Amino acid sequence: QSVLTQPPSVSGAPGQRVTISCTGSSSNIGSPYDVHWYQVLPGTAPKLLIYANKNRPSGVPDRFSGSKSGPSASLAIAGLQAEDEANYYCQSYDRSLSAWVFGGGTKLTVL
Amino acid sequence: QVQLQESGPGLVKPSQTLSLTCTVFGGYISSGDHYWSWIRQHPGKGLEWIGYIYYSGSTHYNPSLRSRVTMSVDTSKNQFSLNLSSVTAADTAVYYCVTSPRAATPTGWFDPWGQGSLVTVSS
Repeated sequence: QSVLTQPPSVSGAPGQRVTISCTGSSSNIGSPYDVHWYQVLPGTAPKLLIYANKNRPSGVPDRFSGSKSGPSASLAIAGLQAEDEANYYCQSYDRSLSAWVFGGGTKLTVL
Repeated sequence: QVQLQESGPGLVKPSQTLSLTCTVFGGYISSGDHYWSWIRQHPGKGLEWIGYIYYSGSTHYNPSLRSRVTMSVDTSKNQFSLNLSSVTAADTAVYYCVTSPRAATPTGWFDPWGQGSLVTVSS
């Protein structure tokens, strides 16, 4: 059972917009702790997609965007492309556990 | 551009100690700008942060693994290491070495990641 809760799967057609939620609590996202998102393509290491809630590292398309409100955060992917099919994980810090924590991951399927 | 590379045995026997080393390229552990972590991913499962080490040798481990984890750093080789003792099949996973900016701690992100090292615990 992951500390941060994500839907196991989402799907969308090419060109559509999808969102992936990440729900935490007052000891992690609800505290002043940022949320970060990672993309894991099949057979590859995780890649930082969004850091500090809404910032994109250099090279990440602006189709990817992040937001945070209270104890939850969201990753939005606009203009879906086949290459976006991957697993996505959110991550934050939990002060009760004194540990960095991840969501269970969401598998995005591009129909 | 910092790059990380894990190395170590791919097979460890139950009850033994899993040992992995991460070599850092394109940057210096001794710069003091980053924490150096290990993260693992069980087959088909999510990500689990194991712990981090700073260039000074100070560490912070995940409480769930603290009793079995030891991390060390060798700044002369620009490497840091993970030892996980008394392993069982439940420790079979891909182990990644990663870095996070010290200035952003404790809320920091992990970037970049090594390519990952699959470690199987089996007799």
